[in-house]
This record gives sequence, C-alpha cells and structure tokens, in this order.
Amino acid sequence: NAGVTQTPKFRILKIGQSMTLQCAQDMNHNYMYWYRQDPGMGLKLIYYSVGAGITDKGEVPNGYNVSRSTTEDFPLRLELAAPSQTSVYFCASSYLGQYQETQYFGPGTRLLVL
Amino acid sequence: GENVEQHPSTLSVQEGDSAVIKCTYSDSASNYFPWYKQELGKRPQLIIDIRSNVGEKKDQRIAVTLNKTAKHFSLHITETQPEDSAVYFCAASSRRDDKIIFGKGTRLHILP
Repeated sequence: NAGVTQTPKFRILKIGQSMTLQCAQDMNHNYMYWYRQDPGMGLKLIYYSVGAGITDKGEVPNGYNVSRSTTEDFPLRLELAAPSQTSVYFCASSYLGQYQETQYFGPGTRLLVL
Repeated sequence: GENVEQHPSTLSVQEGDSAVIKCTYSDSASNYFPWYKQELGKRPQLIIDIRSNVGEKKDQRIAVTLNKTAKHFSLHITETQPEDSAVYFCAASSRRDDKIIFGKGTRLHILP
C-alpha cells in the first residue's frame, strides 16, 4: 500500500492564482481530511469527508473548496490564492466503523503565496 | 464544536527523566483521543490513542490517561531519550460530528 499520497510537494503561487492540491489513499478509508499547519503552529481542520459525495466544513474552510467523487481521492481547491494561505497542507484518512481507527497523514504540500 | 487545549507549549526535560503533556477538551461526546509525534519537516504520526471506555493505556515508555469527568487526558513519556525530541499533538474526536480536532502542540526538548 502507498498509504496517503499528496501532490505536489511544493508550489509557489502568485496572489489571485488558483490551484488544486491532490490527495489519494489506497486503504479503503471512508474518512478523509484536509489540515493546514502554519509555521510553528498546530493543525487546523479545513474540510473533511465521511464518504464519496459527502463533505463538510472544518475549522477554517474559507477560501477553499473540496470534492469527493470517489473513495480514494479528495482534492482541495484554492481559488484566488492569498498570502494568508501560505502554509503546509496535510491530507489524512481514517476508517470509522463502530470506533474511530488510526488516522494516517500524507507527506504534505508546502504552499507559498507571493 | 470541539475545542482542544494543550499545555505546555514547550517542555524541556533532562534525558532519562519523565515528560508529561496535558490536554483538555470541551465536547462531552468526544470518545477518541489520539496523540501524534511530528519530527521537523515530517508528517504527524500516531504514537498512542485511547478510547473513552478505558482510563489508561500503556505502550512501552509511553502511556496515556483519560479523565472523562474532568474532560482531560495526558501523555506520559518515561525514561526520555534524545529521539523523543519532537512536537507532540493531542487530538479529540466526537461522535457528534466525527471531526478530529488538534491541540496546538508541545515542543519537547530532551537535554543531554
């Protein structure tokens, strides 16, 4: 298993540009999450999904959009990038049945908005 | 929604001593409490977790305790080693909405 994969690893955007951060998992997990981590700070939940076709807002959703058309993929869309969106973005997945299971993280995407 | 507070933000302990990191949560419906370790430039990785139906769990030098009444849980690391130096995050998940919300992290320094 590749686990959770993310592309790209690093990207520089100009203010106002748009981009999509890709995330995929091959563990058949039903739950997927997007977090952002600012330098020296904790993880803030942006959006999460409980299954294909279902997404919900986290703590800091403004400026982002997500979709979940398949179990495996959970892309994060940034529209009109702003300097405040400079951060490291982590995708994660887990299985939730009767109990919450271990959450696995991808390697992260480092985004710089100038 | 759930709110997780974590203390201290920085902790320095002598090698071989114990380290304790504490977290509190706000949602009484939270039932899953994982702890993650994040080394510099790496992704967070689960080191131990506990569910609300137990009060304590141990894995070698690492243990977690949970007090549901007071809504707080703690990470205990005994016989600390240089490789324990990292940032540690607590988190909580509620069956109310199944979000996993993180604390702000504790930077642990193991002093030689």
